[in-house]
Amino acid sequence: RKEVEQDPGPFNVPEGATVAFNCTYSNSASQSFFWYRQDCRKEPKLLMSVYSSGNEDGRFTAQLNRASQYISLLIRDSKLSDSATYLCVVQSQGNLIFGKGTKLSVKP
Amino acid sequence: EADIYQTPRYLVIGTGKKITLECSQTMGHDKMYWYQQDPGMELHLIHYSYGVNSTEKGDLSSESTVSRIRTEHFPLTLESARPSHTSQYLCASSEPGLLYGYTFGSGTRLTVV
Repeated sequence: RKEVEQDPGPFNVPEGATVAFNCTYSNSASQSFFWYRQDCRKEPKLLMSVYSSGNEDGRFTAQLNRASQYISLLIRDSKLSDSATYLCVVQSQGNLIFGKGTKLSVKP
Repeated sequence: EADIYQTPRYLVIGTGKKITLECSQTMGHDKMYWYQQDPGMELHLIHYSYGVNSTEKGDLSSESTVSRIRTEHFPLTLESARPSHTSQYLCASSEPGLLYGYTFGSGTRLTVV
């Protein structure tokens, strides 16, 4: 079983849609969790950290379920500029483990 | 404003040449990493370092080597470049506790012809 698993997509959605990304991780001892965004041919950039109580940043909401070892990212009112690959990232044994990413394409 | 710098941004080089990809950070981070990523594909960790004189191989076997003589500098070297080395190479750094994740450089896009 891979340490971090994500649906590869692609997710093709119209502007204004709500889209949810899911991720599961295998190391129950993991303490830090993140969502990164990577634009085509660019470096990954931190989108948001994920906290146990859940956290929100504008149109983005991240949730963590430690019991199920499950992380989610919700994007509301999606914009064309949200088109990118979203990487689920989990801390494991001193390093961060990156998922393969889920590609999102927002269409007019 | 970037606090981690990679040079060159693009490099096209002939087979058999020795190349060094530079990575420097000004954040005083002890942990530094090199990733390899082909277009549209996942990140692969090829090397990492937890501090000066510490280097480890990552999950993906690589013919490259790294050194860490100074905290701020983590160069990657290919002794003899081959077309199979064509890829994007991304450098990253982090503080020890990983509370803020990794900060990535802009990457070096390497093409070996």
